[in-house]
Amino acid sequence: GAGVSQSPRYKVAKRGQDVALRCDPISGHVSLFWYQQALGQGPEFLTYFQNEAQLDKSGLPSDRFFAERPEGSVSTLKIQRTQQEDSAVYLCASSLYTSGGYEQYFGPGTRLTVT
Amino acid sequence: SQQGEEDPQALSIQEGENATMNCSYKTSINNLQWYRQNSGRGLVHLILIRSNEREKHSGRLRVTLDTSKKSSSLLITASRAADTASYFCATDGNQGGKLIFGQGTELSVKP
Repeated sequence: GAGVSQSPRYKVAKRGQDVALRCDPISGHVSLFWYQQALGQGPEFLTYFQNEAQLDKSGLPSDRFFAERPEGSVSTLKIQRTQQEDSAVYLCASSLYTSGGYEQYFGPGTRLTVT
Repeated sequence: SQQGEEDPQALSIQEGENATMNCSYKTSINNLQWYRQNSGRGLVHLILIRSNEREKHSGRLRVTLDTSKKSSSLLITASRAADTASYFCATDGNQGGKLIFGQGTELSVKP
């Protein structure tokens, strides 16, 4: 079946531009996560949704980062006034369950480069 | 911030040899997972071990967990060139479903 998809796969933005990154989770998956992965590092948690409710946004690095999942399926991560330090791969993951202890299914990521 | 550290940071072996990667973490956990990431692609789940388990097997993979030392190891036996990838451990502690990843071990298996 279809896995988690993300678009665009690559995005180049000039410093100060706004960007929107899209995630299509596996159908029926209740939980959706966003992670940020810098070059040579492990992914770092940004935010978590259970259906349409954003239950944890403790990892968002600044108020320039905003995420939504209005209908409990597709999610969008928006970054306003991008800065060079925002350059990273943004990974989306989904899970069938609402608690920890289960595998997460990851998308291929969106590589954001801010020039 | 990262949960812990992985050791070694990079490992290069010949096809057919075994590869061992270690992961240490800082806080108490409910379970620990290992993921693989091929160059330029997303992460793929390999195996999950719960805090009340000490060892788990899946095909050529063997994972151990020592909660007293807050450490885990991943053993890949009879490695293949296709095992070349970065390997990450991830814990969830008591923080709900979110995963906290280590920095990863970059494994290179030469044919």
